[in-house]
Amino acid sequence: KAGVTQTPRYLIKTRGQQVTLSCSPISGHRSVSWYQQTPGQGLQFLFEYFSETQRNKGNFPGRFSGRQFSNSRSEMNVSTLELGDSALYLCASSPDSGAGYGYTFGSGTRLTVV
Amino acid sequence: DQQVKQNSPSLSVQEGRISILNCDYTNSMFDYFLWYKKYPAEGPTFLISISSIKDKNEDGRFTVFLNKSAKHLSLHIVPSQPGDSAVYFCAARGPGGTSYGKLTFGQGTILTVHP
Repeated sequence: KAGVTQTPRYLIKTRGQQVTLSCSPISGHRSVSWYQQTPGQGLQFLFEYFSETQRNKGNFPGRFSGRQFSNSRSEMNVSTLELGDSALYLCASSPDSGAGYGYTFGSGTRLTVV
Repeated sequence: DQQVKQNSPSLSVQEGRISILNCDYTNSMFDYFLWYKKYPAEGPTFLISISSIKDKNEDGRFTVFLNKSAKHLSLHIVPSQPGDSAVYFCAARGPGGTSYGKLTFGQGTILTVHP
């Protein structure tokens, strides 16, 4: 069974640019969540999508956005990149967001903003 | 505010001994607690979870204990193995209706198991 796939694995962007990251969940999983991991703030929740609808959002500025497609694949976009956006971006999938068992994470996309 | 705290940044244990990782939380509305293990450049891997209505859950070498009155949980690894060396994150999930997909993570504890 294929795991959660995130592309690309590494990305270098310049301040002011925008970036799109992709996440393919485990087959059959309809919930996709996104997290940002930085050394200072740890793992922080960005947003969650279920059946193409955003159902929850963390405390991030509007520059961070996402969407989910009918096949449950999800993308997140960051516009007007800042140096502080450099982080490991992780997505996690689950059959549904009410499940008590663990969310399965991808390996992440390492974004460096220069 | 940091609702989930892991106060020990690191823990060093001898192979074969018990590793005890601790986690404190402040939000009494959390209904599920999970432990994840993470290696560098990889995503967190789910280890074990516990519902807020339980006080203990075991899975092989891993046992999680929950003390709701103290808002404290711990992960016991017995016996510890060198391959257990990684960063361990405690995470909590809020009530489903208000926290879809959201886990609140602690800052992590680096576990090193020496041969």
